[in-house]
Amino acid sequence: GAGVSQSPSNKVTEKGKDVELRCDPISGHTALYWYRQSLGQGLEFLIYFQGNSAPDKSGLPSDRFSAERTGGSVSTLTIQRTQQEDSAVYLCASSLEVSHEQFFGPGTRLTVL
Amino acid sequence: AQKVTQAQTEISVVEKEDVTLDCVYETRDTTYYLFWYKQPPSGELVFLIRRNSFDEQNEISGRYSWNFQKSTSSFNFTITASQVVDSAVYFCALRERDSSYKLIFGSGTRLLVRP
Repeated sequence: GAGVSQSPSNKVTEKGKDVELRCDPISGHTALYWYRQSLGQGLEFLIYFQGNSAPDKSGLPSDRFSAERTGGSVSTLTIQRTQQEDSAVYLCASSLEVSHEQFFGPGTRLTVL
Repeated sequence: AQKVTQAQTEISVVEKEDVTLDCVYETRDTTYYLFWYKQPPSGELVFLIRRNSFDEQNEISGRYSWNFQKSTSSFNFTITASQVVDSAVYFCALRERDSSYKLIFGSGTRLLVRP
C-alpha cells in the first residue's frame, strides 16, 4: 500500500512569502503529525490531528504557522510571512490510532532566501 | 522533563564490524514507549522498533538487536556484521503515555559503514 506522501518535495521561497505544505497520510490512519527537522533544533514536534481536530498546537513555533486537516485525510501546513529561520525539512507522519507507531513521509525541504 | 540523549554524533566502521548505538532517556512517566528510526540519505524516517516500558525483554531481528535496561534508562541498538546499506542517521525516540501523540527524538547518530 502507499505510504505517507508529501508535496512539494522541495520549496524555495523568498522571505515574507506564504507557503503551503501538503501531507497525504496512509489510508485509514486517523492520526496525523507534523514535525520539523532543522540543523540547530533536530526533530521537533509541531502539531498533531486526531481526525480533523488538533488537540495540541503547542509545538507550533509562532502564530505564523497554522495547519488544518479536512475530511480526516489530507493536511496542509501553512507558514505565513516566511523567515529564514523557517528553513528546514518538514516531516509528516500518520498512525492508525494515536497510540500506534508513526510512519513518516519523505518530507518537504523548505528554503527561505 | 522528558529527554533523549544520543551522545554519539557520528560513528564510522568498516563493513562486517559490529556497532552499538547508544540511547539514554529521561522520563517521569512509569509507562512509556521507546523507538528507533532509521533515516537513510533519501531522508525518509523508517520505523525499526517499538519497546514498551513494562517489557524489558531484549529483541533480535536479523542483524539488529536492542538492549533495553530500565535500571540505566538505556535502549541501545546493535547492528551485527554491518553493511554499507546500514549507513544512515539513526534516531532514538521516547513517547510518554500522557502525551501519547508526541515523539521526543534524540539528536541522532550518523553511522557510516565503509566497504
